[in-house]
Amino acid sequence: DVKVTQSSRYLVKRTGEKVFLECVQDMDHENMFWYRQDPGLGLRLIYFSYDVKMKEKGDIPEGYSVSREKKERFSLILESASTNQTSMYLCASSLSLMNSGNTIYFGEGSWLTVV
Amino acid sequence: GESVGLHLPTLSVQEGDNSIINCAYSNSASDYFIWYKQESGKGPQFIIDIRSNMDKRQGQRVTVLLNKTVKHLSLQIAATQPGDSAVYFCAERQGYQKVTFGIGTKLQVIP
Repeated sequence: DVKVTQSSRYLVKRTGEKVFLECVQDMDHENMFWYRQDPGLGLRLIYFSYDVKMKEKGDIPEGYSVSREKKERFSLILESASTNQTSMYLCASSLSLMNSGNTIYFGEGSWLTVV
Repeated sequence: GESVGLHLPTLSVQEGDNSIINCAYSNSASDYFIWYKQESGKGPQFIIDIRSNMDKRQGQRVTVLLNKTVKHLSLQIAATQPGDSAVYFCAERQGYQKVTFGIGTKLQVIP
């Protein structure tokens, strides 16, 4: 089974703090994604990566950055957390963009509260 | 179906009955579809997928039906159990493009 692990399940951070959300997948997937999920808005793509050191902006990249130094690890960074970034953050991975049938697998989510 | 705002559509089903959850997708060129189940406080879990060259696909207790003419996808759950209570949402993808997710339907199973 595919395993996508988000190391922090629940975080409370102060406004202005730098926040790191870590994600690791164990299936040698090429693609990794960060989404946020908010009530009534569904899943919105923040950033994705299709290879080591490669990244692409998603729909809502403002206020976020990412890092992919190793294939299995994809980090989401909030440079200066703000209260409107309080949300559930979901990491995901999939095998390859070259096959449109590849399923996206999700981690368990990280609940971030910014106070 | 899809959300009409901040409130998720809710489907209440008696335990043991069959459930049908619907999804209207937006892109007629989408060629791959996925259903996810998300329990409270957890990440989305893959249930079943279907490619656009198929009309129906069956899994364990679940069936996905695809009607490309009206851009409609449905998930049927047979003999619904309390453990099936969750939010279910569909996702669509066109070729190499990013996946677009629906907002979901909440399934409540009445014991």
